[in-house]
Amino acid sequence: QSVLTQPPSASGTPGQRVTISCSGSSSNIGSNIVNWYQQLPGTAPKPLIYNNNQRPSGVPDRFSGSKSGTSASLAISGLQSEDEADYYCAAWDDSLNNPVFGGGTKLTVL
Amino acid sequence: QVQLVQSGAEVKKPGASVKVSCKASGYSLTSHYMHWVRQAPGQGLEWMGIINPGDGTTNYPQKFQGRVTMTTDTSASTVYMELSSLRSEDTAIYYCARSYAIKRPLDSWGQGTLVTVSS
Repeated sequence: QSVLTQPPSASGTPGQRVTISCSGSSSNIGSNIVNWYQQLPGTAPKPLIYNNNQRPSGVPDRFSGSKSGTSASLAISGLQSEDEADYYCAAWDDSLNNPVFGGGTKLTVL
Repeated sequence: QVQLVQSGAEVKKPGASVKVSCKASGYSLTSHYMHWVRQAPGQGLEWMGIINPGDGTTNYPQKFQGRVTMTTDTSASTVYMELSSLRSEDTAIYYCARSYAIKRPLDSWGQGTLVTVSS
């Protein structure tokens, strides 16, 4: 069982907006930044959102992140077929003294 | 540009050990921490530990303590992760990934190394 909770799947049609949630606790999301990673099929994870809502250079502004209390969300607007991937949230956990990940959400573009 | 290049796939028998390397280029190895994260087939990401290449200090989660060892060869800009007493459940892709500081995001990842444990 993952420390952070994500829905196992999400879907949308091209052009739609989808959101993926990530739920944690006071020892992780509640007190540390949240980062999101995108894993395209057969590839290594890649940074997508860091510091709750910042995008690395090269990541389209269709991707956005937010955090409130012990939960975070990733939003993807203008959904495209190439967005089909697994998405993971992550945060440092002060109780475990290590980073923790969500179980991942598989996004399907219908 | 920053690159982390890992060693090739391995097949090991139960009880054996495996040592995976991660060669860094495009930056100074000692300027960033290095994490190891694994992913079992069809599963999510699992953190295995962290090493500070600057002084060799490590931190392993309880699950892997006693079985994992992370080391550095700064002259070769390479970090190593050795996992011992392998069992079938250790079959996974192993990734190295760097971060600027302990609590910071993993901003660059290796391509992954598949380790298969099978008799």
